[in-house]
Amino acid sequence: AQRVTQPEKLLSVFKGAPVELKCNYSYSGSPELFWYVQYSRQRLQLLLRHISRESIKGFTADLNKGETSFHLKKPFAQEEDSAMYYCARGDSNYQLIWGAGTKLIIKP
Amino acid sequence: DVKVTQSSRYLVKRTGEKVFLECVQDMDHENMFWYRQDPGLGLRLIYFSYDVKMKEKGDIPEGYSVSREKKERFSLILESASTNQTSMYLCASSSPDRAGQFFGPGTRLTVL
Repeated sequence: AQRVTQPEKLLSVFKGAPVELKCNYSYSGSPELFWYVQYSRQRLQLLLRHISRESIKGFTADLNKGETSFHLKKPFAQEEDSAMYYCARGDSNYQLIWGAGTKLIIKP
Repeated sequence: DVKVTQSSRYLVKRTGEKVFLECVQDMDHENMFWYRQDPGLGLRLIYFSYDVKMKEKGDIPEGYSVSREKKERFSLILESASTNQTSMYLCASSSPDRAGQFFGPGTRLTVL
């Protein structure tokens, strides 16, 4: 089955520490990958796309085709980064295949 | 800015009631989606539509139907609500340029 796996349901780190949210996908071709974020009481919103190779709010994600991973990283976590993070892969008919999400908690 | 709006933020219904959830987007997007979001399960696709009057079943269509009479509006219908349909329902839209999906604020539905 075509899957997106986020192995951690919950990740808790201290403010100022590095953060890495893991995402692995199963797909044999060139994937379209996304990270979405949902802050408390806010709508789900796009954080970044691998195709644009951008850095948003200090987060970056690199596609590693060999490991079929698209981990989300930030060198120094901030309290406002606490949120639910979802990794998703684009499908051929405009759908997204979603991971189960990782809840990130930044401790002060 | 893409705006996706949903008719209600919170809704409480009784078992057996017919429930309508409405979603409107203002960016002329062809594709629209209905998901339910449950803790630990992520987002599960109920139905999607890639054009007016077109619909496709997602992963969990049972107990739901949809309607897309106009491009900007995509409705989710629970024909006879059941307690296991208590959930957060998210609507999204996207364009064919694969820029990602844009989401509404969600409707938290409770079925008693």
